[in-house]
Amino acid sequence: SQQGEEDPQALSIQEGENATMNCSYKTSINNLQWYRQNSGRGLVHLILIRSNEREKHSGRLRVTLDTSKKSSSLLITASRAADTASYFCATVAPGSSYKLIFGSGTRLLVRP
Amino acid sequence: GAVVSQHPSRVICKSGTSVKIECRSLDFQATTMFWYRQFPKQSLMLMATSNEGSKATYEQGVEKDKFLINHASLTLSTLTVTSAHPEDSSFYICSAPLGTATYEQYFGPGTRLTVT
Repeated sequence: SQQGEEDPQALSIQEGENATMNCSYKTSINNLQWYRQNSGRGLVHLILIRSNEREKHSGRLRVTLDTSKKSSSLLITASRAADTASYFCATVAPGSSYKLIFGSGTRLLVRP
Repeated sequence: GAVVSQHPSRVICKSGTSVKIECRSLDFQATTMFWYRQFPKQSLMLMATSNEGSKATYEQGVEKDKFLINHASLTLSTLTVTSAHPEDSSFYICSAPLGTATYEQYFGPGTRLTVT
């Protein structure tokens, strides 16, 4: 089953612009993770934010988490053409033994 | 860094045949692995949790007799799609958590199954 929705489903921006993707989920979580998937490939872990954290940074990535609204956002600053990929949020429920439940994903296109 | 491999990367089979997909953790041990399927332009749907030395745990709606999972060692889990049909055509991906200290997971590159 899917945990929730991501918004937008698709995003097209110019290189250098910022990209913001949003994720909503339904149940309580232990942590929320963001993954990236290039077309036809496996997923690469980007960043993990715990339920007691509100914001986290990693390089050009900034993730926020609002547990009261059951939502998270991923911001990619100064985007590059190489950032073109699908981005998925995934949640881990308390006591679920690492089981990831994925959101619907956002397809990002960064135009050179 | 930790790597998870899958084999084969692509397979085409005839309807009614069975296909085995392997998932290996290359430089770490994984007592638990996960199997997902992904349809084009869609998200990953968790199929089952593969447990080393015990039975797999299947998600609701996934037929355990259709998708046989074996986790015989700490570095290998296999998914066998039995009596495959065209509707089983999909992208199958496995993942493994690196260990108990982290929740992040490492994903295999995926296997594209086409059933004709």
